[in-house]
Amino acid sequence: EAQVTQNPRYLITVTGKKLTVTCSQNMNHEYMSWYRQDPGLGLRQIYYSMNVEVTDKGDVPEGYKVSRKEKRNFPLILESPSPNQTSLYFCASTPRGDRGVYEQYFGPGTRLTVT
Amino acid sequence: AQKVTQAQTEISVVEKEDVTLDCVYETRDTTYYLFWYKQPPSGELVFLIRRNSFDEQNEISGRYSWNFQKSTSSFNFTITASQVVDSAVYFCALRSHPGHNQGGKLIFGQGTELSVKP
Repeated sequence: EAQVTQNPRYLITVTGKKLTVTCSQNMNHEYMSWYRQDPGLGLRQIYYSMNVEVTDKGDVPEGYKVSRKEKRNFPLILESPSPNQTSLYFCASTPRGDRGVYEQYFGPGTRLTVT
Repeated sequence: AQKVTQAQTEISVVEKEDVTLDCVYETRDTTYYLFWYKQPPSGELVFLIRRNSFDEQNEISGRYSWNFQKSTSSFNFTITASQVVDSAVYFCALRSHPGHNQGGKLIFGQGTELSVKP
């Protein structure tokens, strides 16, 4: 089954304790992104990757890091989480776009609370 | 700049009523794609529809229909004979042509929370 998986689904942590949210897709997609969802703001892109070892900042990258060492995985790293990073996080993948497919496939979401 | 506006923050209807969710977008691209997603209380994002900028045909899928009008930069979503299971947050989103789109980035509206009461 084609899917994007994220772990953990729920996480409560304390300020300053490094954490990683994993994301994996099994569709051989080139593009992957991380979004955060906040009330009244919709979803905003944090970081994206066009392919292995190619990553760049989205609209709200401060406080986050990513890596793309393998095509299927795109972990989101919070080196020193702060309460303003409490949010619902989505990982997404999509094909490059030149094959006529443009849908983003979203993971189930990770609800993060930083106290 | 690209932008998607969903002016209706919350809508409440009674079951079997028709309801329209508004979406207005801004883009300078001549080729772009518009989407609607549903987010039920469980939190996942469910893809509903994609529309290409060069295809202005309206679409109907069961009780769902979409009205795409380039002249007014709108892509409205209508649910006919609403049901309690339609209660969710609905997002409209915009994606540029793949040539310059930050890894397939979607620009989301703020979302409209639809509550359908029995």
